[in-house]
Amino acid sequence: EAGVTQFPSHSVIEKGQTVTLRCDPISGHDNLYWYRRVMGKEIKFLLHFVKESKQDESGMPNNRFLAERTGGTYSTLKVQPAELEDSGVYFCASSLPGTGGNEQFFGPGTRLTVL
Amino acid sequence: GNSVTQMEGPVTLSEEAFLTINCTYTATGYPSLFWYVQYPGEGLQLLLKATKADDKGSNKGFEATYRKETTSFHLEKGSVQVSDSAVYFCALSANTGGFKTIFGAGTRLFVKA
Repeated sequence: EAGVTQFPSHSVIEKGQTVTLRCDPISGHDNLYWYRRVMGKEIKFLLHFVKESKQDESGMPNNRFLAERTGGTYSTLKVQPAELEDSGVYFCASSLPGTGGNEQFFGPGTRLTVL
Repeated sequence: GNSVTQMEGPVTLSEEAFLTINCTYTATGYPSLFWYVQYPGEGLQLLLKATKADDKGSNKGFEATYRKETTSFHLEKGSVQVSDSAVYFCALSANTGGFKTIFGAGTRLFVKA
C-alpha cells in the first residue's frame, strides 16, 4: 500500500511568489494534518482536516497560508505571497478515522526555500 | 497547553555505546507518546510508541517506557550503530489537543565508527 506522498520534494522560490504544496494521504485516511519545521526548530502543527472539513487550523501562521482538501482526498497548502520566514520543511500526515492518538503516517516532506 | 521537552543535541557517540535521549512532557488527559526518527534525506518515520502508563515501546533495539509519575518517555539503546545516525523527535498526541501531534525540538545523533 502506498504511503503518504508529497509534491514537490523541493521548491525554491523568490520572496513574493506563490507556491502550492500537495499531499496525498493514504487511501481511507479521513484525518489529514499539515506540520512544518522551520530553521531546525521543533515540528509545529499547522492544521487538521477531517475529510474535507477543517477541524483545527489554530497553527496556521497567518492569512498568507491557505489549505484546502477538495472532496476529502488530497490536500493543497498554498503560500501567497511567500516570505523569507516561510522557508522550512512542510510535512503532511494522515491517520485512520476515529483513531485519535494512534499513529499518524508522515510523508517525506517538502523542503521550501524562499530567497 | 500540551508540550514536549527533549534534550538538546547534537549527541555524538562511538559505535556500540549506550544511548539515552531524555524526553519529558506536559499534557492534560491521557496522551499517547511517540518517538519519530528522520534519517538523512528521508521523511519522518515512527520508531516506537506507548499509549498508556507503564507501557514500553520497542523497535530496532530502541526502547522507551511511558512513566506517568515522572512524565517522561526517555529513549534508550544499548549499543548504537553508525546507521542510527539521524534526528530523533519525541512527540505526544492527546484528545485534549485534538489529537494533533506535539513534537519536541529534535535531537541529532551522530555515531562514529
